[in-house]
Amino acid sequence: DAGVIQSPRHEVTEMGQEVTLRCKPISGHNSLFWYRQTMMRGLELLIYFNNNVPIDDSGMPEDRFSAKMPNASFSTLKIQPSEPRDSAVYFCASRGQGGETQYFGPGTRLLVL
Amino acid sequence: QKEVEQNSGPLSVPEGAIASLNCTYSDRGSQSFFWYRQYSGKSPELIMSIYSNGDKEDGRFTAQLNKASQYVSLLIRDSQPSDSATYLCAVNPSGYNKLIFGAGTRLAVHP
Repeated sequence: DAGVIQSPRHEVTEMGQEVTLRCKPISGHNSLFWYRQTMMRGLELLIYFNNNVPIDDSGMPEDRFSAKMPNASFSTLKIQPSEPRDSAVYFCASRGQGGETQYFGPGTRLLVL
Repeated sequence: QKEVEQNSGPLSVPEGAIASLNCTYSDRGSQSFFWYRQYSGKSPELIMSIYSNGDKEDGRFTAQLNKASQYVSLLIRDSQPSDSATYLCAVNPSGYNKLIFGAGTRLAVHP
């Protein structure tokens, strides 16, 4: 059974460019989480969805960040415009209904120059 | 005050020793507690969950929870070099359906 899939795995872009990160949760899971991990701030929850609906976006740093989940098998996290301080590893995780365990994808390493 | 606190380490232990990792949390109403392991350059993976006071054992791993002291720990017996990783403590605060992670403790097991 495939785990959480993220793409791209690595992204290098220049300041001001739009960045779109993609996530496919584990089939049948109904909760999806976007995290950002940096050395300074650790693993931070940005936003999570339940049944494709955003439940808590209090961790989204600012209006430059947006996330969507148009269906149960796909989610995007967009940064527009990107800034060097957005450089981090972005993880997507999913969880099954009634479950407690979050399963993480391999992450996207983003470098904004 | 951080919601979930861990000593960043590194915690260095010799092979075969017991490694003890500690975590404190601020939300007294928290009900679910998790330990994730993260190898360098990889994603976090769940190794233990604990929900009630006391000890929970799984192979070489033991999770301990003391809700009165707002303290959760992870013991790794017979530590192996392959246990060298960062261990993240995560807490599900009351009223929320999400996890708050600590900064992680880096464990180094040397032969």
